[in-house]
Amino acid sequence: GDSVTQTEGLVTLTEGLPVMLNCTYQSTYSPFLFWYVQHLNEAPKLLLKSFTDNKRPEHQGFHATLHKSSSSFHLQKSSAQLSDSALYYCALGNSGGSNAKLTFGKGTKLSVKS
Amino acid sequence: GGIITQTPKFLIGQEGQKLTLKCQQNFNHDTMYWYRQDSGKGLRLIYYSITENDLQKGDLSEGYDASREKKSSFSLTVTSAQKNEMAVFLCASSIVRGLGTEVFFGKGTRLTVV
Repeated sequence: GDSVTQTEGLVTLTEGLPVMLNCTYQSTYSPFLFWYVQHLNEAPKLLLKSFTDNKRPEHQGFHATLHKSSSSFHLQKSSAQLSDSALYYCALGNSGGSNAKLTFGKGTKLSVKS
Repeated sequence: GGIITQTPKFLIGQEGQKLTLKCQQNFNHDTMYWYRQDSGKGLRLIYYSITENDLQKGDLSEGYDASREKKSSFSLTVTSAQKNEMAVFLCASSIVRGLGTEVFFGKGTRLTVV
């Protein structure tokens, strides 16, 4: 079955340092990967999504590359900002079966300190 | 743009009580979802519906019922609230864009059972 693994539950960083949040997946069909961000007391919102293998989507300074060879879609940013503190979810959709469903990881809380 | 409205925002129930959560969307999306959000467990799918009067079970459907009365609304019933249960229930709707499904979320209903 489909699954998403986010290995870090909490990542704490100092402002200005690079960010990397890990995401790996298992998918029955050809995968589409997403990152969602949820700030405190807000709804989760789409941050970015994969397109084709080795193309790099970017949004708000964040980027991620889908690597089918390693089943990964890690989220990166070169310099963390205080406003990046939030809960980040990696999610998996696929092109076959019920493509209406997304499978979410357990989430990584990013805490950026000054 | 559109919006997903969940009511109530906060719900306090008693053990054994039947509780209903409501969701409305004005995106005109076909598919709607109910997710449960628990700290450290991510977003787990309870029910989803791909069209009016359709219902599909997710991974966490036991203990819940759902109803898709019309395209714009999707309600969730906790059939028997469990004592000390605390969770956030997120409603969502989605649209298929090109290579994948994009999901939009409401802000959630926070449930506390006393």
